[in-house]
Amino acid sequence: NAGVMQNPRHLVRRRGQEARLRCSPMKGHSHVYWYRQLPEEGLKFMVYLQKENIIDESGMPKERFSAEFPKEGPSILRIQQVVRGDSAAYFCASSLTGTPNTGELFFGEGSRLTVL
Amino acid sequence: TQLLEQSPQFLSIQEGENLTVYCNSSSVFSSLQWYRQEPGEGPVLLVTVVTGGEVKKLKRLTFQFGDARKDSSLHITAAQPGDTGLYLCAGEYGNKLVFGAGTILRVKS
Repeated sequence: NAGVMQNPRHLVRRRGQEARLRCSPMKGHSHVYWYRQLPEEGLKFMVYLQKENIIDESGMPKERFSAEFPKEGPSILRIQQVVRGDSAAYFCASSLTGTPNTGELFFGEGSRLTVL
Repeated sequence: TQLLEQSPQFLSIQEGENLTVYCNSSSVFSSLQWYRQEPGEGPVLLVTVVTGGEVKKLKRLTFQFGDARKDSSLHITAAQPGDTGLYLCAGEYGNKLVFGAGTILRVKS
């Protein structure tokens, strides 16, 4: 029973390039969350998606960032024209139930983006 | 400002010592969760507390939910090096689970 799978684990991009981070939730989970984490800090909420729908994107920067969770395939967090300040670990989590009563979030191992 | 304030931010103790970390908010939560994260890994759920005043024990870890459901604490007895990690509390807010900034715990042998 595979857990949440994220790839790539590590990604290096130069300023101005695009970064695409993928997340396959646990089997049977239709609720996906993306969080961003700086070293030795907590998790900052970015976006909450269900299949084909964005439920809450209040934590997403207004520009350059987008997320999707298509009917088929993984959820994708896309960062266009990356800048050094985008360097961080990006975690995806899935849950069986969404809000309210979210229950346990199962996290992937994260994708670490480094922007040169 | 953080919705959930955790303290202390950093704690370094010797093996065998006891410690308590705190998670406080001015908001009421229907439940609070505690996660532990090791370097290079994603957070893993330790416990969910639901009822005001609730106390839950997980081996050497004791979790308490405040009577008013605004705060929680995690107490570790006889800490071990394997307890080292980032401890995060989380609560449901709107459509999402929000996290505190965490307490970094280092247990030295």
